[in-house]
This record gives sequence, structure tokens and C-alpha cells, in this order.
Amino acid sequence: EPEVTQTPSHQVTQMGQEVILHCVPISNHLYFYWYRQILGQKVEFLVSFYNNEISEKSEIFDDQFSVERPDGSNFTLKIRSTKLEDSAMYFCASSFNRYNEQFFGPGTRLTVL
Amino acid sequence: SQQGEEDPQALSIQEGENATMNCSYKTSINNLQWYRQNSGRGLVHLILIRSNEREKHSGRLRVTLDTSKKSSSLLITASRAADTASYFCATYNYGQNFVFGPGTRLSVLP
Repeated sequence: EPEVTQTPSHQVTQMGQEVILHCVPISNHLYFYWYRQILGQKVEFLVSFYNNEISEKSEIFDDQFSVERPDGSNFTLKIRSTKLEDSAMYFCASSFNRYNEQFFGPGTRLTVL
Repeated sequence: SQQGEEDPQALSIQEGENATMNCSYKTSINNLQWYRQNSGRGLVHLILIRSNEREKHSGRLRVTLDTSKKSSSLLITASRAADTASYFCATYNYGQNFVFGPGTRLSVLP
């Protein structure tokens, strides 16, 4: 069964460093998403991406965040200058259309020291 | 205002019992979805109910939607220890993004 994959599973970085989180969505899906979940808190929407551009983004998704689909399979989230409060699980998801169920990856745990 | 508020926040039951979790929301929605998350893992989609549907079943899961009350419930029948997880409702709103509630942490005791 197709699934969303994410790498790395755990990323440790120093405050101020740039990180890139990688995702491979399900191949025939057209919508891609990033969410984050701070430990013990709810899942928060960051951004959705369709047709090679951002379709929606939340207030959390400020100028330090960017997303890219560099080729036909990868979907990346870049955090330019990490802060301590960026420590969280980051989930990638994909769906076939905008209102369908989303399929989530296993997440990347980002730890900012 | 916050969409997708689940209650209770935590629920502890014995294996074999039914578990009911509720979700309330505040704005018009296209659909409402329930997801499950095992500790430290990704979310798994359970069921989607559209705004023009009132009830939906999938195996031991039953979801209802009352758009007049802006609420939904998830019923898990004959619970098993393996059902222990956090359960989230999420709403997809017209012109807005996908919003998750804070979740209900379900513990099924053997």
C-alpha cells in the first residue's frame, strides 16, 4: 500500500542553523501539506501546496519557513534560522484532492538546542 | 474561536466496553474527519463524513455528524487494548485550511 515517507526521523540542530525536512508524498496525490505538533499539544497546520505553489498557509508559517517541490517526488520544508520553539514533530501529508482524507507520514522529530 | 474541540480530553475504559468521543466546531465545514495517533507516531485516517451525511460506519467505528449543533461523535464498539491512542477530529472548512482539535486520549485497560 502506498505511503508517505519522511526523512530524517530525527534531526538535531543548533539554534540559528538551517534545516531541511524531506517528504515523499504518495505518487498520484496532488495536494501536499506540512503540519507540526509540539510535544503534548495538538497538530497545527503550517502550509498546503498545490500545482507548484502554496495554496494556504497559517500564521505559524512565517518568513523563516519555505516549501519546495524540487522534483516530481520530493516535498521539502526548510526552516532558515531555527529557534528553540521550533522543536516539534513535523508531519508531511498528501491527498488526492483538497477535501479528501489526508495521508500522513511518520514525522520528523526536530530538536533545536 | 477554535475549531474541532474534542471531549473528553482523556477517557479510560475496560476492554470490551464502548468508547464515545465528541467533537464540536464553530464554522461551516465541507467535511469532518477523525484521525488516530499512537504515541509519538504519525496520524492515521479513520473516517471522513461529509457535511450532507449524518452517520457513517467503518468496522467497529461509527461516526455521527449534527451540523445544526456543529458536533460530531466517534463511537468505538467492543474496544480492545490496541485501540489505546489519541483520537483527533479535524475539520476542512470552505476557503480555510485543515484544523485539528486537541484530541481525546483513550486508554483501554485489559
